[in-house]
Amino acid sequence: GAVVSQHPSWVICKSGTSVKIECRSLDFQATTMFWYRQFPKQSLMLMATSNEGSKATYEQGVEKDKFLINHASLTLSTLTVTSAHPEDSSFYICSATIANYGYTFGSGTRLTVV
Amino acid sequence: AQTVTQSQPEMSVQEAETVTLSCTYDTSESDYYLFWYKQPPSRQMILVIRQEAYKQQNATENRFSVNFQKAAKSFSLKISDSQLGDAAMYFCAYRPLSGGGADGLTFGKGTHLIIQP
Repeated sequence: GAVVSQHPSWVICKSGTSVKIECRSLDFQATTMFWYRQFPKQSLMLMATSNEGSKATYEQGVEKDKFLINHASLTLSTLTVTSAHPEDSSFYICSATIANYGYTFGSGTRLTVV
Repeated sequence: AQTVTQSQPEMSVQEAETVTLSCTYDTSESDYYLFWYKQPPSRQMILVIRQEAYKQQNATENRFSVNFQKAAKSFSLKISDSQLGDAAMYFCAYRPLSGGGADGLTFGKGTHLIIQP
């Protein structure tokens, strides 16, 4: 139980285009979803917290206009990287809170901007 | 702000032996949760073990146990009888109890664990 499905698993896009990453909670309602970014051989850095039906909260230093987060339903949160550039290439992971203060993670999306 | 420090970028252990991964953290909160996550090459984050700060008893999960020293703000992970499948990146993580689930995790930089056959 408590599975988060993340798609796509990998994507290559041209510089200047936008890319959307989806995270769906399959068997539970995710009122809160977290988005992390992980550079190669580095740790996960929290980018933003999205709450269903309200605006996302972004961590300091994260451009909210570049990383658009939408959490329109209790089972779907999306991250759109707008006007992507090579420096946005990274591994993006979503996570949702589950019972007993736990977390479940998506399988991640490897974004390469060329 | 809270920080999590893992001072061992890489550790190596012989199969079947025991290894301990270190983690220290800094927080002004009195109640919080600490986690160890495993990230294999697939990059899927897998929960290894969790500790509630208000519990004095150290958490254990089969071959995995922690040594939680609240006063020292230390949270080490011991893996007994190491197996080849244990090879992965291990991340220590923290979240405050306050916030009711609205807080994301603060991760350490990770320790790459190598298992020698």
